[in-house]
Amino acid sequence: EAGVTQSPTHLIKTRGQQATLRCSPISGHTSVYWYQQALGLGLQFLLWYDEGEERNRGNFPPRFSGRQFPNYSSELNVNALELEDSALYLCASSRTGANSPLHFGNGTRLTVT
Amino acid sequence: GESVGLHLPTLSVQEGDNSIINCAYSNSASDYFIWYKQESGKGPQFIIDIRSNMDKRQGQRVTVLLNKTVKHLSLQIAATQPGDSAVYFCAEHSGGSNYKLTFGKGTLLTVNP
Repeated sequence: EAGVTQSPTHLIKTRGQQATLRCSPISGHTSVYWYQQALGLGLQFLLWYDEGEERNRGNFPPRFSGRQFPNYSSELNVNALELEDSALYLCASSRTGANSPLHFGNGTRLTVT
Repeated sequence: GESVGLHLPTLSVQEGDNSIINCAYSNSASDYFIWYKQESGKGPQFIIDIRSNMDKRQGQRVTVLLNKTVKHLSLQIAATQPGDSAVYFCAEHSGGSNYKLTFGKGTLLTVNP
């Protein structure tokens, strides 16, 4: 079974630019989650999508947005990049429903210069 | 608000010893807990989970203990191996339909040969 895949693995952007990160969930998983992991910090919840709808959002500004496509893959967009957006962005997927473990991809390392 | 924290940020053990990683949580409504292992350059890997109606669950070489009275979670690794060296995160689901896992800051486990 293929795991969660994320692309690109690394992304370098300049302050003020936009970044688009992509995620393909495990087959059969309908929920996709995005987390930010800044250096030395834990995982901060960004967004949760299920069945194409945004279900929950973490404490991040509106310039962090995303969507989920009919095939359950997902995109995270970060507009007006700031230096502090530099982090590892992790995508996870799970089956719909509570008490289903999240399975993570290996992340996209975003560097803003 | 909800929070998940770890008592020990670092833990160093000898190969073959047993390891115990601790985690405290503050939300008494949390109903589901997961332990993850994150190796350098990779995303978090699911280890074991436990629901709040249980107080112990065993896997291969790992045991998770849940003490709801003091809101404490622990991960025990038997016969620790060098390949167990990683950062370990506990995560809690705070219940309800707005599914979101809250992660602790992590404990770095180092296994000395």
